[in-house]
Amino acid sequence: ELKVEQNPLFLSMQEGKNYTIYCNYSTTSDRLYWYRQDPGKSLESLFVLLSNGAVKQEGRLMASLDTKARLSTLHITAAVHDLSATYFCAVSMNRDDKIIFGKGTRLHILP
Amino acid sequence: EPEVTQTPSHQVTQMGQEVILRCVPISNHLYFYWYRQILGQKVEFLVSFYNNEISEKSEIFDDQFSVERPDGSNFTLKIRSTKLEDSAMYFCASGQTSYEQYFGPGTRLTVT
Repeated sequence: ELKVEQNPLFLSMQEGKNYTIYCNYSTTSDRLYWYRQDPGKSLESLFVLLSNGAVKQEGRLMASLDTKARLSTLHITAAVHDLSATYFCAVSMNRDDKIIFGKGTRLHILP
Repeated sequence: EPEVTQTPSHQVTQMGQEVILRCVPISNHLYFYWYRQILGQKVEFLVSFYNNEISEKSEIFDDQFSVERPDGSNFTLKIRSTKLEDSAMYFCASGQTSYEQYFGPGTRLTVT
């Protein structure tokens, strides 16, 4: 059974600091997603990572994937208050449309 | 920019009643999904639908649940006899390929 673990589950940080959210998963996978969710809102797709070593960046967020370690990271550079949200990683098994989400990391950035 | 829409935004129903949640996916998309999120918890996969049939479903998606794409534009989730524990936010998503998912705004279902 595919399991997805995120840590930390809650992160409070100062503006301007860097931090990393980790996502571990338990079986081989052919794609990994990162989503953002604001309170009471839907999920916004941030990144889809498809291959080992994939790195994608958008603004202050950068996601990477190490399929051998079954690990993805979401790195936040010089955090700003607008990045406060809950971030989910989600993983699908090979050639499978079933997608399993992690519990989410609630990020709170203090001005 | 095209987006996934869902109706209603909030549905209140009594336990044991049937509900139908509606979604209009983005028009050229081929892959369709339903998820639910109990308040404050993680997002749970319910079902995926492709080529007019279910491609995957989770353990949550039991005989009380069904999906349909009745007219080529709508994608519906039916819960036959709602239970208190079905109270959640239900999200529809669609994608042109199996590698992408665009989420709708969600329907908040409250079962009393």
